[in-house]
Amino acid sequence: GAGVSQSPSNKVTEKGKDVELRCDPISGHTALYWYRQSLGQGLEFLIYFQGNSAPDKSGLPSDRFSAERTGGSVSTLTIQRTQQEDSAVYLCASSRGPTVNTEAFFGQGTRLTVV
Amino acid sequence: AQSVTQPDIHITVSEGASLELRCNYSYGATPYLFWYVQSPGQGLQLLLKYFSGDTLVQGIKGFEAEFKRSQSSFNLRKPSVHWSDAAEYFCAVRGANNLFFGTGTRLTVIP
Repeated sequence: GAGVSQSPSNKVTEKGKDVELRCDPISGHTALYWYRQSLGQGLEFLIYFQGNSAPDKSGLPSDRFSAERTGGSVSTLTIQRTQQEDSAVYLCASSRGPTVNTEAFFGQGTRLTVV
Repeated sequence: AQSVTQPDIHITVSEGASLELRCNYSYGATPYLFWYVQSPGQGLQLLLKYFSGDTLVQGIKGFEAEFKRSQSSFNLRKPSVHWSDAAEYFCAVRGANNLFFGTGTRLTVIP
């Protein structure tokens, strides 16, 4: 597709279960980002992938969170043993490259609700 | 360290009135600045960006923003607001590996 695609759009899970969120970036975009947006909050950086370089994981809030990017394209964000405070909208973005003057394009997000 | 401050959490304006949303940034080098808009249930859409050159930048939907280095500001403006502009607005500055976002300003438009 032409834009960043995220699935599922909504996810309700029970506390303690694991969830996987998927992001399909724009074709040809080498940089991929994950952000978390909690109710009434701004966007919290989680992780950044650029090409084959080691990802910048500095924003991951705990070791329950992990992400991978296969083949330099699709990315999966995994949250293990979900907690209620993990409830948020998870946004994925991609950009053409690592240089600072490339703009990021965002997907519509996955709304995660932990009950 | 990079950071962005949006001092107004919520702004209400009448349709047809002018709008200014404030953004202050902290960045050690030449900043690359962005304004994004998020409608309810939607992702973020880029309104405009500043990389270099003319400090007054034009964006989509009739928005503009002015970069003022002396004030570390990048305020968003629109001369006449439409009801469809009601949304959340985010200012961002580009860091080495990501975008640093402000906490957003929610805009309400009243008839």
